Amino acid sequence: DVKVTQSSRYLVKRTGEKVFLECVQDMDHENMFWYRQDPGLGLRLIYFSYDVKMKEKGDIPEGYSVSREKKERFSLILESASTNQTSMYLCASSSPSGSPHEQYFGPGTRLTVT
Amino acid sequence: GEDVEQSLFLSVREGDSSVINCTYTDSSSTYLYWYKQEPGAGLQLLTYIFSNMDMKQDQRLTVLLNKKDKHLSLRIADTQTGDSAIYFCAEIPPTSGTYKYIFGTGTRLKVLA
Repeated sequence: DVKVTQSSRYLVKRTGEKVFLECVQDMDHENMFWYRQDPGLGLRLIYFSYDVKMKEKGDIPEGYSVSREKKERFSLILESASTNQTSMYLCASSSPSGSPHEQYFGPGTRLTVT
Repeated sequence: GEDVEQSLFLSVREGDSSVINCTYTDSSSTYLYWYKQEPGAGLQLLTYIFSNMDMKQDQRLTVLLNKKDKHLSLRIADTQTGDSAIYFCAEIPPTSGTYKYIFGTGTRLKVLA
């Protein structure tokens, strides 16, 4: 079974703090993704990575950065947390080969910025 | 438009059928997907349909695809309380590259006992 794990289920941080969200997958997938999920807005892509050290901006990259030093690990960084970054953050991974390009999701990290 | 659209809420009685609708953006999307998110969990692929199909049936699930109208629907027969979840429609438009999904807003299905 594919497993995608995220470092925390719940996080509470203060405005201005630097926040690290970690994601690890065990299926040797090339693609990894960070989304945020907000009620009524669905999932919005923040960043994705298609290989080690490779990254591309998604739809809402402002205020975020990412790091992928190893294939299995993809980190999301909030450089200076703000209250409008309070959200559910979901990590996913997929393989570029093989149909139907299923994405496998972690359980999510619910981040509250006060 | 760029948005995959779904209604936000649906409430049905246990044993009834549920129909969740979606309007997607790109008629050339090869695959269209339904993901399910149970409370407190990430998303999980429920079913998908290839664009050259009109219908796909998988046990209690029926997916209908109308490419002309860019409309996708998910029917759940004999809905159970365990089906209560958020259901996301998704597509990978060919223009998005690298298998990036566009997800809908999600439909929260509530099943009443």
